[in-house]
Amino acid sequence: SYELTQPPSVSVSPGQTATITCSGDNLGDSYTCWYQQKPGRSPVLVIYKDDKRPSGISERFSGSTSGNTATLTISGTQAVDEADYYCQGWNRPYVFGSGTKVTVL
Amino acid sequence: EEQLMESGGGLVQPGGSLRLSCAASGFTFVNFWMHWVRQVPGKGLAWVAHVNSDGSSTFYADAVKGRFTLSRDNSKNMVYLQMNSLRVDDTAVYFCSRVHSSGWGLDPWGQGTLVTVSS
Repeated sequence: SYELTQPPSVSVSPGQTATITCSGDNLGDSYTCWYQQKPGRSPVLVIYKDDKRPSGISERFSGSTSGNTATLTISGTQAVDEADYYCQGWNRPYVFGSGTKVTVL
Repeated sequence: EEQLMESGGGLVQPGGSLRLSCAASGFTFVNFWMHWVRQVPGKGLAWVAHVNSDGSSTFYADAVKGRFTLSRDNSKNMVYLQMNSLRVDDTAVYFCSRVHSSGWGLDPWGQGTLVTVSS
């Protein structure tokens, strides 16, 4: 079955840059979306169409893609950014990545 | 405010059935495809199914194909997920979500409803 692989965890110091990758065969054939999920809360879309930010999402969040790897970057990471992050390939069957826990130390 | 609210979750025995509902408000429901996503507590997100704007087309994850049926009632701004032949591994929080206004990604999401399949 099709899978999208993310690192299980990323640790970052406040004010530094967090980088989360998402890789999978044929990921480059579709756009990638990214979601943030805090404990006990529903996911929130933070990046769509590889690098677009929805209204209300901080400029600290940016996305990029190269080949079959997508990347979510959080610049100037703040404590409020501590959460789980999931990528998703935007084509059938809309697979989600395995998720990355971002810890702000 | 654009809102989605799921209901219908609960405890069901293996092999049983359950129907989840999702009530939409604050946007023109008929214009948007709708999706369901589930999450085993403490685990990652798993896409379940989607339905197109007029309800004429649906698509399912392999894990639920043939057991789950997704439908919508545009006159009531409602989406329904009929779940049959439930298995223990269907236990999860089920989220209803709408395609983002750009046409890419899912936003907003409902608060989720917990389905527990256990004897």
